[in-house]
This record gives sequence, structure tokens and C-alpha cells, in this order.
Amino acid sequence: NAGVTQTPKFQVLKTGQSMTLQCAQDMNHNSMYWYRQDPGMGLRLIYYSASEGTTDKGEVPNGYNVSRLNKREFSLRLESAAPSQTSVYFCASSRQGENYGYTFGSGTRLTVV
Amino acid sequence: GIQVEQSPPDLILQEGANSTLRCNFSDSVNNLQWFHQNPWGQLINLFYIPSGTKQNGRLSATTVATERYSLLYISSSQTTDSGVYFCAVTSGTYKYIFGTGTRLKVLA
Repeated sequence: NAGVTQTPKFQVLKTGQSMTLQCAQDMNHNSMYWYRQDPGMGLRLIYYSASEGTTDKGEVPNGYNVSRLNKREFSLRLESAAPSQTSVYFCASSRQGENYGYTFGSGTRLTVV
Repeated sequence: GIQVEQSPPDLILQEGANSTLRCNFSDSVNNLQWFHQNPWGQLINLFYIPSGTKQNGRLSATTVATERYSLLYISSSQTTDSGVYFCAVTSGTYKYIFGTGTRLKVLA
């Protein structure tokens, strides 16, 4: 029972490089999310996917793209990494509908130098 | 957009003490969650509580949506309760806004 799995756990990029963060859930959840967490701050929503085949922008989408590959997988891509994207990235999933709560992955710590 | 304020920002307790964490929000919401982030960074959902009161072991939460606040009660605190507690709210369904958290340290 893995829940939400994120890869990689750690990554260092040079400015301008690209990379994709992977997220997969095995709970048959409809909705998936990408958040970033910066020191001293709460989490901020980057993108979300309410259901398979849909994606929408959150609070801080600039510099990111997402793909909902299938019901299980939701990836986050940085096309040209910038130091301002240094952060801890969390993927989450939830059932769609009433009385749901989030399940989070363990996070990816990304440093852009 | 909705503003979320959590208090206190920091809290230190002796093991066995009780505490109350508060979450105020600036506008009407229809969903609210409480999370615990442990010292290793893992985020765990504690409660989904848009209104009313819920209890889970030593933890309970109350949301008074009409007065725009929620409270998280921790009784008989243990060292494993240490970490950061976040409140998150949304007026829709998906776009949750997180507070900046209450950092709790429980001393043995």
C-alpha cells in the first residue's frame, strides 16, 4: 500500500536545465495536485488535475507545466529551471466529491544553482 | 483571495500538556483541512472539517464557519506530536490556501 509515490527525492539542477518530477498514486483517486513549500511558508498550489484528462492552474503556475498521463500519474515539468524554483515539491491526491482529504507524497527537494 | 492566519506561530510544551491551535480565515469557506508535518517533512491529513467537531484519539478539531475560524486541540501531548500544523481552506473544491503553520515542539 504505497499511497502517493514521488520521484526523485532529491535533485540539483543548473539554471536553465529542464526536468520532470514524477508522481503516482495507487488509491484510485480522481484528483491530483502539485504544491511547493518554501521556508517559513505554507504550501502553495502550482497546478491541479480534478480528474483524468483535465488540468488547471493554481496560485503559482508560472515556469511549470503538468501532464495527467492517466488516472494514476501526474507529472510536473520545469522547462528552464531558475533559482527561484528552489523548493520542496509535494504531490497529493484525493477522491473527488464530498468529505475527502488529501494524501501527500514524501516530497522532492529541488535545488537550482 | 482568502487569507489564512494561524496562531500561535510557535509553541513549546512539556509532554502531557494540552494545547489549542487556531486558524482564522478572512472569507467564507466550504472546505477546511488540518495537516501535521513531522520533523522529517511528511505531511499527514488529520481532519477534513468544513464545519462541526471531530475527534480522533487525543486530537480533536472544531470549525465554526460562520465565525471564520477553526481550532485544533491536542490533549496529553507526546514528543511525536512535534512538527508543524497547517490549516488549509478553500471556497471552491480544489484550490486550497494554506496558512503558514504553527510550529510545535513537545519536550520530554
